[in-house]
Amino acid sequence: GEDVEQSLFLSVREGDSSVINCTYTDSSSTYLYWYKQEPGAGLQLLTYIFSNMDMKQDQRLTVLLNKKDKHLSLRIADTQTGDSAIYFCADRSNDYKLSFGAGTTVTVRA
Amino acid sequence: DAMVIQNPRYQVTQFGKPVTLSCSQTLNHNVMYWYQQKSSQAPKLLFHYYDKDFNNEADTPDNFQSRRPNTSFCFLDIRSPGLGDAAMYLCATSPERGAGHEQFFGPGTRLTVL
Repeated sequence: GEDVEQSLFLSVREGDSSVINCTYTDSSSTYLYWYKQEPGAGLQLLTYIFSNMDMKQDQRLTVLLNKKDKHLSLRIADTQTGDSAIYFCADRSNDYKLSFGAGTTVTVRA
Repeated sequence: DAMVIQNPRYQVTQFGKPVTLSCSQTLNHNVMYWYQQKSSQAPKLLFHYYDKDFNNEADTPDNFQSRRPNTSFCFLDIRSPGLGDAAMYLCATSPERGAGHEQFFGPGTRLTVL
């Protein structure tokens, strides 16, 4: 299967920017996704980027895609306590299957 | 509100005792998925239904089965749960297959095997 890797933990001070990084191996990925999972809840789609784009901005979220290096990042501006969660990077490896990374646990400290 | 509902949210079963997890959706989506998420690991697709067509992933153990009696409901049956099957089970739906169609996830059922 396709591999998606991301760092496991990130601690950030409230008000600072968070940057979560992800690498993937499937060069044929058409869409790449960021999901958020709060404690006890399911996965919520935060944003996605199409593979022919370099950047996508959506309010406090900025997604950067380096297709050459197969590197994806999610930047959260002005991180708030409500942003504490697990963030999953995923790519679409075929017409139905999402391949997820193991998730990055983001802890926002006061 | 249209949504994906999973029942129960927490399920405890005994080693070897069959268990069924339930998922329902009010979105009228064609595709329903079951994922297994073990602690600190990525969600892993077990299988999906495209309408009535069942699609099993190659590495899904035979111990896991699924039923979709109608558009709204999909069940995950674990015939003889082992300790290694303790996990969060996530149901998701999408209108169609294909990269442009978002998958909507339910809150999950956390399964404990004693």
